[in-house]
Amino acid sequence: EDQVTQSPEALRLQEGESSSLNCSYTVSGLRGLFWYRQDPGKGPEFLFTLYSAGEEKEKERLKATLTKKESFLHITAPKPEDSATYLCAVGGDTGGFKTIFGAGTRLFVKA
Amino acid sequence: NAGVTQTPKFRILKIGQSMTLQCAQDMNHNYMYWYRQDPGMGLKLIYYSVGAGITDKGEVPNGYNVSRSTTEDFPLRLELAAPSQTSVYFCASSYSTARKAYNEQFFGPGTRLTVL
Repeated sequence: EDQVTQSPEALRLQEGESSSLNCSYTVSGLRGLFWYRQDPGKGPEFLFTLYSAGEEKEKERLKATLTKKESFLHITAPKPEDSATYLCAVGGDTGGFKTIFGAGTRLFVKA
Repeated sequence: NAGVTQTPKFRILKIGQSMTLQCAQDMNHNYMYWYRQDPGMGLKLIYYSVGAGITDKGEVPNGYNVSRSTTEDFPLRLELAAPSQTSVYFCASSYSTARKAYNEQFFGPGTRLTVL
């Protein structure tokens, strides 16, 4: 059964304090790993798609990396506006077109 | 483009009542999805559709029904509402192909439903 586990559940950082969020996954035949950002009271917003181990993508202060078992979302010198919940999701060969989401990591960045 | 729109934004139902959550997209996406999100939990897929007239069950379909008569619209029907259906419901869409079935999804703003 496809599974996604995110850690930590919550992360509190000072502005400028770099850190990483983890997404561990189990999927048969990875077809895509996704990172989304969700602000309170809003729908998730797409950040990155990674398709194969070794792939990396960057956007401003965020960098996503992928191995065969996990993905990391690295946040460099975060700002208060980076505070949000970050969701990881995977799609695989089995289970039709069902994307499986993790529970998310709530990030708080204090000025 | 309005993207993905959902109505209503909020709704309170009594146990046993029924309602339809509306979802529309104007991006000409072929795939559409319905998720529910409970506090502290990730998104759980209820139903999805790969095109007009084609729907399939997700992880948690019990108590819900869907239809897709057009590319743009994907309503979610709740029959005989129960307290366990209290949640935030998100509709999403994507453009996917047989070679690239998993693409980025665009989400609506959500409907917050309470069943009392």
